[in-house]
Amino acid sequence: SQELEQSPQSLIVQEGKNLTINCTSSKTLYGLYWYKQKYGEGLIFLMMLQKGGEEKSHEKITAKLDEKKQQSSLHITASQPSHAGIYLCGADIGFQKLVFGTGTRLLVSP
Amino acid sequence: DTGVSQDPRHKITKRGQNVTFRCDPISEHNRLYWYRQTLGQGPEFLTYFQNEAQLEKSRLLSDRFSAERPKGSFSTLEIQRTEQGDSAMYLCASSPASGANTGELFFGEGSRLTVL
Repeated sequence: SQELEQSPQSLIVQEGKNLTINCTSSKTLYGLYWYKQKYGEGLIFLMMLQKGGEEKSHEKITAKLDEKKQQSSLHITASQPSHAGIYLCGADIGFQKLVFGTGTRLLVSP
Repeated sequence: DTGVSQDPRHKITKRGQNVTFRCDPISEHNRLYWYRQTLGQGPEFLTYFQNEAQLEKSRLLSDRFSAERPKGSFSTLEIQRTEQGDSAMYLCASSPASGANTGELFFGEGSRLTVL
């Protein structure tokens, strides 16, 4: 079965700093989703990547899928308190059924 | 479009009781999914519907769990004889038919279950 490992597990950054979250898969990724979750709430879709080498950006968040399609990174530029939450990567194992990592908890200090 | 809605948002029950959660997907979304999320973990896939047909069930879904989507619109997830280990957030998600599928899976706010 496919497993996703995220690092770091938690992160505290000062407002305005950049940060990167990594997601490593035990198998080739055919669809990699990034979601954000606020504590105790549902998941908010950020981006989906499918092609090796693909890079997508939305506002100050950029996600990449490496050429071998086994690792993805999420980069936030000039972090803000609104970026705080849990970031989850999810691998599509068919028909949009997702296997998720355990998440990265981000706190942004003023 | 009001998004995916789930009801109730919170449920506290005693061990052994039955509970039912309802999910209303975005209208015209053919696919509907149920996930379970425990504290500190990512969501785990439970089951998936294409219209009214339940196409797949995870091994996590024991015989005490049953899900339905009778008319291909809303779905219910019932847990019978609840156990403390059932305490979790139950998340519902939906997505449109393949032709209109941009890849996004739309999640609801979740139903949090606490079994005492």
